[in-house]
Parts: sequence; C-alpha cells; structure tokens
Amino acid sequence: QKEVEQNSGPLSVPEGAIASLNCTYSDRVSQSFFWYRQYSGKSPELIMSIYSNGDKEDGRFTAQLNKASQYVSLLIRDSQPSDSATYLCAVDPGNQFYFGTGTSLTVIP
Amino acid sequence: DADVTQTPRNRITKTGKRIMLECSQTKGHDRMYWYRQDPGLGLQLIYYSFDVKDINKGEISDGYSVSRQAQAKFSLSLESAIPNQTALYFCATSESSGGYNEQFFGPGTRLTVL
Repeated sequence: QKEVEQNSGPLSVPEGAIASLNCTYSDRVSQSFFWYRQYSGKSPELIMSIYSNGDKEDGRFTAQLNKASQYVSLLIRDSQPSDSATYLCAVDPGNQFYFGTGTSLTVIP
Repeated sequence: DADVTQTPRNRITKTGKRIMLECSQTKGHDRMYWYRQDPGLGLQLIYYSFDVKDINKGEISDGYSVSRQAQAKFSLSLESAIPNQTALYFCATSESSGGYNEQFFGPGTRLTVL
C-alpha cells in the first residue's frame, strides 16, 4: 500500500466552480500535511499546510484534515484557468515527506 | 534572486559518465533534500540531510551519492549514469525550528542519460 494516495484525475471543472481534491495516507503517526501546486515542467510550490483536524482557509483555498479517517482534502473555490496544474499531497510522519502522485486539474474557461 | 538554486538546469550525458548536480540556498534552512520525479510516479526522496554532519538515505538512494559541503550547499552525484536515471531532479530545503518542516523547492534539473 502506498503511503499517500490521490485520485490521479484528470479532474476538469468549469471556471468559477469548486474543485475538490482528495488524499488519503497510511501512516497514523503523521502530524503534518501539505498541498503543493505544480505547473508542467516547473517545481512544486507550497500552497497550504495543515496540522490540526478541521478546516484551514487561505483565500480561495481550504484544506480539510480528518486524522481519524486519515484523510486530507483541498477545496479551490471560484476556480480560475490559472489554477490548472497538478496538485500534490504530502504527508510528514516525522523525518521525511511522502508525496502522492498528484491530481491533474483543468479549469475550463 | 531565487532562494533555492540548482545547477545545471538541463543536462544530457551518456551512460557510464559521472555527473554532479548542485543545490544552493539562501534561506538559512538547516535541512536539505534531493528528489527525483518521473511521470506518473510522483516525487521520490533520494537523500536528505538535517545538518552538515547528518546524511540519510531516502527511498531510492541506490546509484546516487551526496555531499553536504556547507549548510547552504548540497550536491547529488550519479557515479555511473544509466538511462533509467533520466528524470527531473529537485532540491528542497526546510528548517527544523517551529516543528512544521515546510519544504521549499528549487527550479529543478532535467537530466537525460543516453
């Protein structure tokens, strides 16, 4: 079983809609969770980090964490074409990150 | 200027050649990492270093070696390159203080081994 699993997509949403990206992880001791955005051919860019159960909002982005269910999600409200990218979920159980394979998101104008 | 830089940005080499990829950072972070990224496989950790005297193997260290020359510099070497090491390589940094370990990535090096 992979440490971190994401729906590979591709996920397509119309401009202005909510995009929902999901991630599950296997290591129960994980305490830190991250979402990165990666444009094609570019490096991953940190967009959200979350450490406690519940929701964390930053602009149009909301991260949701449920440690009991080992589940973390990212909601993107009012999706824009510039949000079209691959979104990587990362989990830190202690000393190193484990990344999911990413979900490709396309926002259709 | 970028906080995390990698050189070279692109490299084409031949099977059996030794190659070094370099990473420098001005963020003042103590932790540094090397990842490779292959299509469909996500990011895989090669090596990581928590300070100059601390080097650790990641998931896929075979065929690679590293050197932490200073807090700001972390190099990755392929002793004898092979075609399946063709990939996009990223360096990342983080700081241990605060406990959150957010990692920040360099621009990447695209390596092709013929």
